Amino acid sequence: KQEVTQIPAALSVPEGENLVLNCSFTDSAIYNLQWFRQDPGKGLTSLLLIQSSQREQTSGRLNASLDKSSGRSTLYIAASQPGDSATYLCAVRFHNNAGNMLTFGGGTRLMVKP
Amino acid sequence: ETGVTQSPTHLIKTRGQQVTLRCSSQSGHNTVSWYQQALGQGPQFIFQYYREEENGRGNFPPRFSGLQFPNYSSELNVNALELDDSALYLCASSITGGAVGYTFGSGTRLTVV
Repeated sequence: KQEVTQIPAALSVPEGENLVLNCSFTDSAIYNLQWFRQDPGKGLTSLLLIQSSQREQTSGRLNASLDKSSGRSTLYIAASQPGDSATYLCAVRFHNNAGNMLTFGGGTRLMVKP
Repeated sequence: ETGVTQSPTHLIKTRGQQVTLRCSSQSGHNTVSWYQQALGQGPQFIFQYYREEENGRGNFPPRFSGLQFPNYSSELNVNALELDDSALYLCASSITGGAVGYTFGSGTRLTVV
């Protein structure tokens, strides 16, 4: 069964810290991996998309890495700010699954304290 | 370039009723997917539409059905609503065959009482 797991489920850090969110997946045959941000009660905002042939992607203070062989991705947030407080979701598009669906992890709920 | 828009934003229905949710895909996108997100969980795939036909389905019963229109907009219909159908319903659009990710809408919050 193709599954995605995110650890930790919740994280609280003081403002200014660099932090790493983890995502693991059970099947290395992936098409791509996408990180999303979700504010309470809202939709998903795409942060970074990593194709299976790529090792990492960067956008501003965010850097996402991909290691297919170990089934892992990390999202690195530099110099965290209170505005970064949200739930971060990792989603994998596996090969040969129904309708090119995304399989989501349960998310990491991040709180950055001033 | 417009993003994905969903309507309505909130909805309250009674158990046993039927509901229709609507989604307009991002300009240039030809594929629409629907997800259900229960509180505190990651989204779960319901189904996807491409060229006006269902192109894959998750583990949801037949009372969940959908449509895609020639302009790539879409509807999600749920019949015989149950209390457990209460969730945030998310629509996402993409391009089949393209190396692009998914763009999500803001969702419709459905409450079944």
